[in-house]
Amino acid sequence: DVKVTQSSRYLVKRTGEKVFLECVQDMDHENMFWYRQDPGLGLRLIYFSYDVKMKEKGDIPEGYSVSREKKERFSLILESASTNQTSMYLCASSTVRQYSNQPQHFGDGTRLSIL
Amino acid sequence: KNEVEQSPQNLTAQEGEFITINCSYSVGISALHWLQQHPGGGIVSLFMLSSGKKKHGRLIATINIQEKHSSLHITASHPRDSAVYICAVRHYNTDKLIFGTGTRLQVFP
Repeated sequence: DVKVTQSSRYLVKRTGEKVFLECVQDMDHENMFWYRQDPGLGLRLIYFSYDVKMKEKGDIPEGYSVSREKKERFSLILESASTNQTSMYLCASSTVRQYSNQPQHFGDGTRLSIL
Repeated sequence: KNEVEQSPQNLTAQEGEFITINCSYSVGISALHWLQQHPGGGIVSLFMLSSGKKKHGRLIATINIQEKHSSLHITASHPRDSAVYICAVRHYNTDKLIFGTGTRLQVFP
């Protein structure tokens, strides 16, 4: 079974802090994704990566950056955390680069609170 | 208007009831996914379909491409089916997933 592991289930940070959310997958998947989930809005794509050192902006990239130095690890960075970034963050991975109908495998999520 | 609409938003049922959750979308798609999210937050993929019907245990998913509509059915519902069910479509052009806002299901014994 594919395992997508997010480093923290719950995280509390202060405004202005630099925040790192880590995600690791163990199935050698090419694609990795970061989403945020807010009530009434569904999941929204922040960034995705289809290869090491490759990244593309999703629908809501403002205030975020990402890093993919190794194939199995995809990090989401909040450069200067703000209260409107309080949310549930979900990482996912999938195989094959593009035009793939393979399912995405999700981590358990990180509930981030910015005070 | 959201590109993916689910109904109902909330659903309660008694154990044993037949459940239907609906998903309508307004964009061209290459596939539709049904996902399940339990209270802890983790999301599991239930089905991926591009035509017809799929069945897995007590779960059945159907899609009508012409009508841009999909349904998820749960037969003989059980309290352990209580979760949020999310419909997501893969846009045929951008290849990105577009998510519905989810249907919260509670099944009582």
